[in-house]
Amino acid sequence: DVKVTQSSRYLVKRTGEKVFLECVQDMDHENMFWYRQDPGLGLRLIYFSYDVKMKEKGDIPEGYSVSREKKERFSLILESASTNQTSMYLCASSPERGGLQDTQYFGPGTRLTVL
Amino acid sequence: GDSVTQMEGPVTLSEEAFLTINCTYTATGYPSLFWYVQYPGEGLQLLLKATKADDKGSNKGFEATYRKETTSFHLEKGSVQVSDSAVYFCALSGVPGSARQLTFGSGTQLTVLP
Repeated sequence: DVKVTQSSRYLVKRTGEKVFLECVQDMDHENMFWYRQDPGLGLRLIYFSYDVKMKEKGDIPEGYSVSREKKERFSLILESASTNQTSMYLCASSPERGGLQDTQYFGPGTRLTVL
Repeated sequence: GDSVTQMEGPVTLSEEAFLTINCTYTATGYPSLFWYVQYPGEGLQLLLKATKADDKGSNKGFEATYRKETTSFHLEKGSVQVSDSAVYFCALSGVPGSARQLTFGSGTQLTVLP
């Protein structure tokens, strides 16, 4: 089974702090994704990566950055956390770059609260 | 651009009732269509998928048929259980490129009462 793990289930940070959310997948997948989930808005894509050191902006990249130094690990960084970044953050991975294997596999999520 | 419109919730049913959650989409090309389920406190799990017109995806008693003529992918189950209580998301895949992105609907909360 594909396993996607996220470093924390719950996180509480203060406004202005730098926040790191880590995601690791164990199936040698090419693609990794970061979403945020808010009530009534579904999932919105923040950033994705299709290869080591490669990244592309999603629909709502403002206020976020990402890092992919190793194939299995994809980090989401909030440079200076703000209260409007309080949300559930979901990481996902999928097998092939540009291929037909488009099913995404999700981690359990990190619920981030910014005070 | 691509979009997915889902039936708004919440939906509350009694155990053994019939379930339909409507999903329609707008997309370029020929996307794959998905239903994901999110149980309380968990991430999303793939429930079923269909990759081309007239395909039927099925899993755990749930079914959905890819209808290109009506651009729909409605989720159905003949007899729901309390354990089906969850949030259900319809999604479609984007065109092949650097990574096939998924576009999600806003989710439908289902509660099944005993």
